[in-house]
Amino acid sequence: EAQVTQNPRYLITVTGKKLTVTCSQNMNHEYMSWYRQDPGLGLRQIYYSMNVEVTDKGDVPEGYKVSRKEKRNFPLILESPSPNQTSLYFCASSLRDKPGEQFFGPGTRLTVL
Amino acid sequence: QKEVEQDPGPLSVPEGAIVSLNCTYSNSAFQYFMWYRQYSRKGPELLMYTYSSGNKEDGRFTAQVDKSSKYISLFIRDSQPSDSATYLCAMSYGNEKLTFGTGTRLTIIP
Repeated sequence: EAQVTQNPRYLITVTGKKLTVTCSQNMNHEYMSWYRQDPGLGLRQIYYSMNVEVTDKGDVPEGYKVSRKEKRNFPLILESPSPNQTSLYFCASSLRDKPGEQFFGPGTRLTVL
Repeated sequence: QKEVEQDPGPLSVPEGAIVSLNCTYSNSAFQYFMWYRQYSRKGPELLMYTYSSGNKEDGRFTAQVDKSSKYISLFIRDSQPSDSATYLCAMSYGNEKLTFGTGTRLTIIP
């Protein structure tokens, strides 16, 4: 089954404790992206990657890191989480020549205390 | 001013009604227009995808784009309870970066 998977689905942590949210897709997509979704603000892009070893900032990159060492994986790293990073996070992927057809993962609900 | 404006609702309509969802935008450079549907506790899924102005129909769903007015619409005919979800409009210049509206929460009442 074609899909984007994220882990963990739910995470409660404390300020300053480094964490990683994994994202993997099995569709051989070139493009991958991370979004956060907050009430009243909608989906905002954090980072994206056009291909392996190519990443770039989205609209709200502060406090986040990403890496793209393999085509299928695109982990999101919070080196020192803060309460304002409490949010619902989505990973998405698409073929490079179909920019609007993004496939989203199921989401990761993160709470930073 | 946000690049993409969308009424958050909530919108409640009786089953069988025609639903109209809308977004306005400010940047005339947008070329691709999408509608995503998001069920509670799920990720968004692509519903409709259009390029430039015009209409596109897919079953009970019709997407309209009016670039001269910077206005896009999604119509749902014969609405069903299973259509209850949040609907997100999204736009793109043609690269992979999407700009989303905040979403309209829709409830279809049986």
